[in-house]
Amino acid sequence: QQPVQSPQAVILREGEDAVINCSSSKALYSVHWYRQKHGEAPVFLMILLKGGEQKGHEKISASFNEKKQQSSLYLTASQLSYSGTYFCGSFYGGSNYKLTFGKGTLLTVNP
Amino acid sequence: DTEVTQTPKHLVMGMTNKKSLKCEQHMGHRAMYWYKQKAKKPPELMFVYSYEKLSINESVPSRFSPECPNSSLLNLHLHALQPEDSALYLCASSRDQRTVTEAFFGQGTRLTVV
Repeated sequence: QQPVQSPQAVILREGEDAVINCSSSKALYSVHWYRQKHGEAPVFLMILLKGGEQKGHEKISASFNEKKQQSSLYLTASQLSYSGTYFCGSFYGGSNYKLTFGKGTLLTVNP
Repeated sequence: DTEVTQTPKHLVMGMTNKKSLKCEQHMGHRAMYWYKQKAKKPPELMFVYSYEKLSINESVPSRFSPECPNSSLLNLHLHALQPEDSALYLCASSRDQRTVTEAFFGQGTRLTVV
């Protein structure tokens, strides 16, 4: 089981906004967002738990719609430093607690 | 200290070699993970250790052998690898396997099998 991310790639100019979506056909217990720059380790951004939470981190925020099994990551007034690949990870509960990543969204922010 | 340290950073090995990857954390985390990542792909889970016991093996070939000697250390022993095993191997840790908290990733070992 793997969450589905869209779009696969986004190109922005500095200051523009972007939305990255993550959905699952299986009930989600939580959604995790990570950013990975080329040649570096994935870096944690935020976790959203069941309950329709919306969390924020500076100009990056996210929501979790439990009914639709969807999460969205909102990047506002993008900066050059936002460039990288964004992965959503779904944490499925039950007997097999493990974090499974979507295929990623490559975000490029140009000056 | 919120670091996960992996050594070596780069490794080139022949198909008949035996080598080991090492991962260390001092955050008191009781869950540790090995992920494999190919270029332009997401990290793929290989193994999970929970309280030093193997909790999940994602049907990984036996040429990869994990070991967790204590709560701070995680090793991945490699033997008779194939060229298609070339990838970035990431180690991660979290507070424990069943608590929904962030995972901290190491910088990875870039493995090339020749």
